[in-house]
Amino acid sequence: IVMTQSPLSLPVTPGEPASISCRSSQSLLQTNGDTYLEWYLQKPGQPPQLLVYLASNRASGVPDRFSGSGSGTDFTLTISRVEAEDVGVYYCMQALHTLYTFGQGTKLEIK
Amino acid sequence: QVQLQESGPGLVKPSQTLSLTCTVSGGSISSGSYYWTWVRQPAGKSPEWIGRINARGNTDYNPFLRSRLTISVDTSKNQFSLELSSVTAADAAVYYCARLSGAPYWYFDLWGRGTLVTVSS
Repeated sequence: IVMTQSPLSLPVTPGEPASISCRSSQSLLQTNGDTYLEWYLQKPGQPPQLLVYLASNRASGVPDRFSGSGSGTDFTLTISRVEAEDVGVYYCMQALHTLYTFGQGTKLEIK
Repeated sequence: QVQLQESGPGLVKPSQTLSLTCTVSGGSISSGSYYWTWVRQPAGKSPEWIGRINARGNTDYNPFLRSRLTISVDTSKNQFSLELSSVTAADAAVYYCARLSGAPYWYFDLWGRGTLVTVSS
């Protein structure tokens, strides 16, 4: 499954909202009704950290300014008010098929 | 809390075998229904899933790497390992070990800090 993100670069003013899109080459809806799309943030020099799983569930400890939405093949990660600590590269990843695949990444930077 | 730590040589010669170990501390590798996973990330690129293993030794591999790849687990040492044979420059990357949550969520909830592997003679 090919994951395609946009934009690849996202300059944002602190306090402003930001959104990242992710499209999968096939539906990520499992027969159990769950949608296996995840979002990760990789801060400089660190491994990726989980933000959202099953398309819209925030991981433990993730601030509520982060939200995931979408279904089927089209998904969005929204940050309601960007803070300086949110800089890094955001990846979507599909977990429907065992050959887990990531998007190209979206680099968020502060204006 | 549970932590993961990768170890192994940072420099491997072309055509040789890359061997890495991930040590799980703060918890048992046999507890829960986790899968223990390897992910690599070439410089400036997206992460690439390599393969996974559970405590019973059941494995799944990236089909593009399967012919060169072996992942094993040693529950007595609380470790799991990766061997990738016949390496080339394309195998140079930061290699991460990670914990995969298992059903029904299948997310990576814990990562090691990563270890840089260079392929050069």
